[in-house]
Amino acid sequence: AQKVTQAQTEISVVEKEDVTLDCVYETRDTTYYLFWYKQPPSGELVFLIRRNSFDEQNEISGRYSWNFQKSTSSFNFTITASQVVDSAVYFCALRGTDKLIFGTGTRLQVFP
Amino acid sequence: EPEVTQTPSHQVTQMGQEVILRCVPISNHLYFYWYRQILGQKVEFLVSFYNNEISEKSEIFDDQFSVERPDGSNFTLKIRSTKLEDSAMYFCASKQGQAPLNTEAFFGQGTRLTVV
Repeated sequence: AQKVTQAQTEISVVEKEDVTLDCVYETRDTTYYLFWYKQPPSGELVFLIRRNSFDEQNEISGRYSWNFQKSTSSFNFTITASQVVDSAVYFCALRGTDKLIFGTGTRLQVFP
Repeated sequence: EPEVTQTPSHQVTQMGQEVILRCVPISNHLYFYWYRQILGQKVEFLVSFYNNEISEKSEIFDDQFSVERPDGSNFTLKIRSTKLEDSAMYFCASKQGQAPLNTEAFFGQGTRLTVV
């Protein structure tokens, strides 16, 4: 069975702090994809990153970085120097063949 | 930039009524999906659609639900007789292709369905 666990329900930080959102997944597939989506208060799902199971290189995009570790089945997401606009619910998701399996999300609140 | 468009953004309907949620996927995409998010909960897969037929559906997608691509551009989700527990945000998504052209699914902005 496929499963995504986001153990952190809610995180609150003050602006400019770094914050890491955890994601642990389970799958028996040898080829799979991992995703992060952002859901701001307006409700839409904004794609942030896709990673395939063969590529364990960490990725950095501006203030965002992702740490994929197959050995621990984790795909963590770090926001450096957080800003108020980063406040949202963040979902980690797993895709084997087709459909996305989402975690329960982490609500991030960044206070000024 | 091409995007997935959903209408309406918010729909209120009475319990027992039929409702149709509409989506216009990105034009060269071949795979289409509906997901549901009950308020405050995670996003759940409902159904995938390819080549004019359902390729996979979840346990949630029972006989009350149906999907259709009536005219080659729209992709609709019909709930035949709505229940209170159908109240949720419904997301449409589309994707260009399968591996090796594996790309991410692009989501619409969602339709918030409220059943009263």
